[in-house]
Amino acid sequence: AQKITQTQPGMFVQEKEAVTLDCTYDTSDQSYGLFWYKQPSSGEMIFLIYQGSYDEQNATEGRYSLNFQKARKSANLVISASQLGDSAMYFCAMTSSGSARQLTFGSGTQLTVLP
Amino acid sequence: DGGITQSPKYLFRKEGQNVTLSCEQNLNHDAMYWYRQDPGQGLRLIYYSQIVNDFQKGDIAEGYSVSREKKESFPLTVTSAQKNPTAFYLCASSIEGRLSEELFFGEGSRLTVL
Repeated sequence: AQKITQTQPGMFVQEKEAVTLDCTYDTSDQSYGLFWYKQPSSGEMIFLIYQGSYDEQNATEGRYSLNFQKARKSANLVISASQLGDSAMYFCAMTSSGSARQLTFGSGTQLTVLP
Repeated sequence: DGGITQSPKYLFRKEGQNVTLSCEQNLNHDAMYWYRQDPGQGLRLIYYSQIVNDFQKGDIAEGYSVSREKKESFPLTVTSAQKNPTAFYLCASSIEGRLSEELFFGEGSRLTVL
Protein backbone atom coordinates (compact mmCIF):
# COMPACT_ATOMS: atom_id res chain seq x y z
CA ALA A 1 0.00 0.00 0.00
CA GLN A 2 1.14 3.54 -0.60
CA LYS A 3 0.59 6.58 1.54
CA ILE A 4 1.07 10.32 1.20
CA THR A 5 1.42 12.62 4.21
CA GLN A 6 1.09 16.39 4.14
CA THR A 7 1.61 17.78 7.62
CA GLN A 8 0.82 21.44 6.95
CA PRO A 9 -2.95 22.03 6.86
CA GLY A 10 -2.40 25.73 6.17
CA MET A 11 0.47 27.98 5.12
CA PHE A 12 0.85 31.72 4.68
CA VAL A 13 3.41 33.45 2.49
CA GLN A 14 4.07 37.05 1.56
CA GLU A 15 3.66 37.97 -2.08
CA LYS A 16 6.92 37.63 -4.08
CA GLU A 17 8.51 35.35 -1.49
CA ALA A 18 9.23 31.63 -1.88
CA VAL A 19 7.35 28.92 0.00
CA THR A 20 7.91 25.21 0.53
CA LEU A 21 5.03 22.78 0.92
CA ASP A 22 5.97 19.50 2.58
CA CYS A 23 5.14 16.01 1.35
CA THR A 24 6.37 12.65 2.53
CA TYR A 25 5.44 9.33 1.02
CA ASP A 26 5.59 5.68 1.81
CA THR A 27 5.74 2.81 -0.65
CA SER A 28 7.53 -0.49 -0.99
CA ASP A 29 7.65 -0.20 -4.79
CA GLN A 30 10.88 0.79 -6.53
CA SER A 31 9.13 2.42 -9.46
CA TYR A 32 6.75 5.24 -8.64
CA GLY A 33 5.75 8.74 -9.62
CA LEU A 34 5.09 11.83 -7.53
CA PHE A 35 2.75 14.64 -8.54
CA TRP A 36 1.63 17.99 -7.26
CA TYR A 37 -1.80 19.40 -8.07
CA LYS A 38 -3.35 22.76 -7.31
CA GLN A 39 -7.04 23.14 -6.48
CA PRO A 40 -8.39 26.70 -6.58
CA SER A 41 -11.70 27.53 -4.91
CA SER A 42 -13.47 26.69 -8.20
CA GLY A 43 -12.73 23.03 -7.50
CA GLU A 44 -10.85 21.97 -10.62
CA MET A 45 -7.57 20.12 -10.08
CA ILE A 46 -4.62 21.55 -12.01
CA PHE A 47 -1.46 19.54 -12.63
CA LEU A 48 1.72 21.36 -11.60
CA ILE A 49 4.73 19.06 -11.68
CA TYR A 50 5.85 15.42 -11.87
CA GLN A 51 8.88 13.53 -10.52
CA GLY A 52 9.70 9.93 -11.38
CA SER A 53 11.44 7.75 -8.82
CA TYR A 54 14.33 7.12 -11.19
CA ASP A 55 14.76 10.75 -12.22
CA GLU A 56 18.13 11.95 -10.99
CA GLN A 57 17.41 15.64 -11.26
CA ASN A 58 14.71 17.54 -9.43
CA ALA A 59 11.78 18.47 -11.64
CA THR A 60 11.11 22.11 -12.44
CA GLU A 61 8.21 23.81 -14.21
CA GLY A 62 8.42 27.56 -14.32
CA ARG A 63 8.06 28.87 -10.75
CA TYR A 64 7.48 25.36 -9.41
CA SER A 65 10.24 22.97 -8.43
CA LEU A 66 10.11 19.66 -6.65
CA ASN A 67 12.73 18.98 -3.98
CA PHE A 68 13.01 15.20 -4.27
CA GLN A 69 14.91 13.44 -1.48
CA LYS A 70 14.55 9.75 -2.15
CA ALA A 71 16.29 8.47 0.96
CA ARG A 72 14.03 10.59 3.15
CA LYS A 73 10.98 9.76 1.02
CA SER A 74 10.09 13.38 0.65
CA ALA A 75 8.88 15.36 -2.34
CA ASN A 76 8.45 18.96 -1.27
CA LEU A 77 7.02 21.58 -3.62
CA VAL A 78 8.82 24.90 -3.83
CA ILE A 79 6.96 27.88 -5.26
CA SER A 80 9.20 30.83 -6.03
CA ALA A 81 8.07 34.44 -6.26
CA SER A 82 4.57 33.77 -4.90
CA GLN A 83 1.63 35.50 -6.54
CA LEU A 84 -1.84 36.24 -5.20
CA GLY A 85 -3.22 33.75 -7.71
CA ASP A 86 -1.22 30.99 -6.04
CA SER A 87 -3.68 30.99 -3.13
CA ALA A 88 -5.27 27.55 -3.34
CA MET A 89 -5.23 24.04 -1.95
CA TYR A 90 -2.18 22.00 -2.94
CA PHE A 91 -2.16 18.23 -3.08
CA CYS A 92 0.76 15.85 -3.26
CA ALA A 93 -0.02 12.51 -4.92
CA MET A 94 1.74 9.36 -5.98
CA THR A 95 1.29 6.33 -8.14
CA SER A 96 3.39 3.21 -8.26
CA SER A 97 3.88 0.10 -10.30
CA GLY A 98 2.37 -1.99 -7.52
CA SER A 99 -0.76 0.10 -7.14
CA ALA A 100 -2.29 -0.64 -10.53
CA ARG A 101 -1.57 2.97 -11.46
CA GLN A 102 -3.95 4.34 -8.86
CA LEU A 103 -3.14 7.89 -7.85
CA THR A 104 -3.13 8.28 -4.05
CA PHE A 105 -3.55 11.81 -2.69
CA GLY A 106 -2.46 13.48 0.52
CA SER A 107 -4.86 15.57 2.59
CA GLY A 108 -3.62 18.84 1.12
CA THR A 109 -2.17 22.18 2.23
CA GLN A 110 -4.16 25.40 2.01
CA LEU A 111 -1.79 28.13 0.84
CA THR A 112 -2.68 31.78 1.31
CA VAL A 113 -0.57 34.46 -0.35
CA LEU A 114 -0.67 37.78 1.48
CA PRO A 115 -0.37 41.12 -0.37
CA ASP B 1 -11.34 23.28 -26.80
CA GLY B 2 -10.38 19.85 -25.58
CA GLY B 3 -11.27 18.90 -22.05
CA ILE B 4 -13.47 17.08 -19.62
CA THR B 5 -17.08 18.10 -19.05
CA GLN B 6 -18.92 17.07 -15.92
CA SER B 7 -22.61 17.62 -15.36
CA PRO B 8 -24.50 18.65 -13.43
CA LYS B 9 -22.32 21.00 -11.42
CA TYR B 10 -24.70 20.88 -8.44
CA LEU B 11 -27.16 18.12 -7.64
CA PHE B 12 -29.58 17.54 -4.82
CA ARG B 13 -30.99 14.12 -4.07
CA LYS B 14 -33.38 12.66 -1.59
CA GLU B 15 -32.32 9.68 0.45
CA GLY B 16 -33.02 6.41 -1.28
CA GLN B 17 -32.69 7.80 -4.80
CA ASN B 18 -30.08 6.83 -7.34
CA VAL B 19 -28.36 9.61 -9.23
CA THR B 20 -26.06 9.57 -12.25
CA LEU B 21 -23.19 12.00 -12.78
CA SER B 22 -22.06 12.57 -16.33
CA CYS B 23 -18.44 12.74 -17.49
CA GLU B 24 -17.47 13.32 -21.12
CA GLN B 25 -13.99 13.89 -22.57
CA ASN B 26 -12.89 14.90 -26.05
CA LEU B 27 -9.18 14.40 -25.44
CA ASN B 28 -9.14 10.93 -27.00
CA HIS B 29 -7.78 9.53 -23.74
CA ASP B 30 -8.00 5.83 -23.05
CA ALA B 31 -8.12 5.99 -19.24
CA MET B 32 -10.82 7.62 -17.13
CA TYR B 33 -11.30 7.91 -13.38
CA TRP B 34 -13.81 8.95 -10.74
CA TYR B 35 -12.68 10.46 -7.46
CA ARG B 36 -14.58 11.57 -4.39
CA GLN B 37 -13.48 14.51 -2.23
CA ASP B 38 -14.81 15.23 1.24
CA PRO B 39 -14.27 18.59 2.99
CA GLY B 40 -10.68 19.12 4.08
CA GLN B 41 -9.54 15.84 2.59
CA GLY B 42 -7.71 14.57 -0.43
CA LEU B 43 -9.24 12.65 -3.31
CA ARG B 44 -10.15 9.01 -3.04
CA LEU B 45 -10.51 6.75 -6.07
CA ILE B 46 -13.95 5.24 -6.70
CA TYR B 47 -13.57 3.54 -10.09
CA TYR B 48 -11.25 3.66 -13.05
CA SER B 49 -11.30 2.41 -16.60
CA GLN B 50 -8.35 1.95 -18.92
CA ILE B 51 -10.28 0.75 -21.92
CA VAL B 52 -13.81 0.65 -23.27
CA ASN B 53 -16.04 -2.00 -21.69
CA ASP B 54 -13.61 -2.57 -18.82
CA PHE B 55 -13.33 -0.92 -15.41
CA GLN B 56 -11.90 -1.66 -11.97
CA LYS B 57 -12.91 -0.77 -8.44
CA GLY B 58 -10.89 1.78 -6.53
CA ASP B 59 -10.60 2.17 -2.78
CA ILE B 60 -14.20 3.21 -2.12
CA ALA B 61 -16.35 1.56 -4.80
CA GLU B 62 -19.13 0.34 -2.52
CA GLY B 63 -22.44 2.01 -3.31
CA TYR B 64 -21.28 3.23 -6.72
CA SER B 65 -21.49 1.85 -10.24
CA VAL B 66 -20.00 2.89 -13.58
CA SER B 67 -20.13 1.99 -17.26
CA ARG B 68 -17.72 2.57 -20.14
CA GLU B 69 -19.61 1.90 -23.33
CA LYS B 70 -17.87 4.65 -25.27
CA LYS B 71 -14.31 5.91 -25.08
CA GLU B 72 -15.39 9.47 -24.38
CA SER B 73 -17.97 8.76 -21.68
CA PHE B 74 -17.67 7.40 -18.13
CA PRO B 75 -20.86 8.03 -16.11
CA LEU B 76 -20.99 7.38 -12.38
CA THR B 77 -24.16 6.25 -10.61
CA VAL B 78 -24.44 6.92 -6.90
CA THR B 79 -26.86 4.31 -5.64
CA SER B 80 -29.05 4.30 -2.58
CA ALA B 81 -26.62 1.80 -1.07
CA GLN B 82 -24.00 4.53 -0.66
CA LYS B 83 -24.38 5.45 3.00
CA ASN B 84 -22.86 8.92 2.89
CA PRO B 85 -23.03 10.24 -0.68
CA THR B 86 -22.82 13.97 0.01
CA ALA B 87 -19.46 14.95 -1.47
CA PHE B 88 -17.62 16.60 -4.35
CA TYR B 89 -17.06 14.24 -7.28
CA LEU B 90 -14.26 14.70 -9.77
CA CYS B 91 -13.84 12.91 -13.08
CA ALA B 92 -10.43 12.66 -14.70
CA SER B 93 -8.71 11.16 -17.70
CA SER B 94 -5.19 10.31 -18.84
CA ILE B 95 -3.73 9.29 -22.17
CA GLU B 96 -3.11 5.61 -21.47
CA GLY B 97 -3.11 5.28 -17.70
CA ARG B 98 0.68 4.95 -17.45
CA LEU B 99 2.62 5.63 -14.28
CA SER B 100 4.02 9.02 -15.32
CA GLU B 101 0.95 10.49 -16.95
CA GLU B 102 -0.75 13.50 -15.46
CA LEU B 103 -4.48 13.38 -14.93
CA PHE B 104 -6.74 15.95 -16.54
CA PHE B 105 -9.71 16.82 -14.36
CA GLY B 106 -13.18 18.15 -14.92
CA GLU B 107 -14.65 20.94 -12.81
CA GLY B 108 -16.49 18.56 -10.53
CA SER B 109 -20.03 17.79 -9.45
CA ARG B 110 -21.22 18.63 -5.96
CA LEU B 111 -23.85 16.19 -4.69
CA THR B 112 -25.97 16.96 -1.65
CA VAL B 113 -28.33 14.42 -0.15
CA LEU B 114 -31.29 15.98 1.62
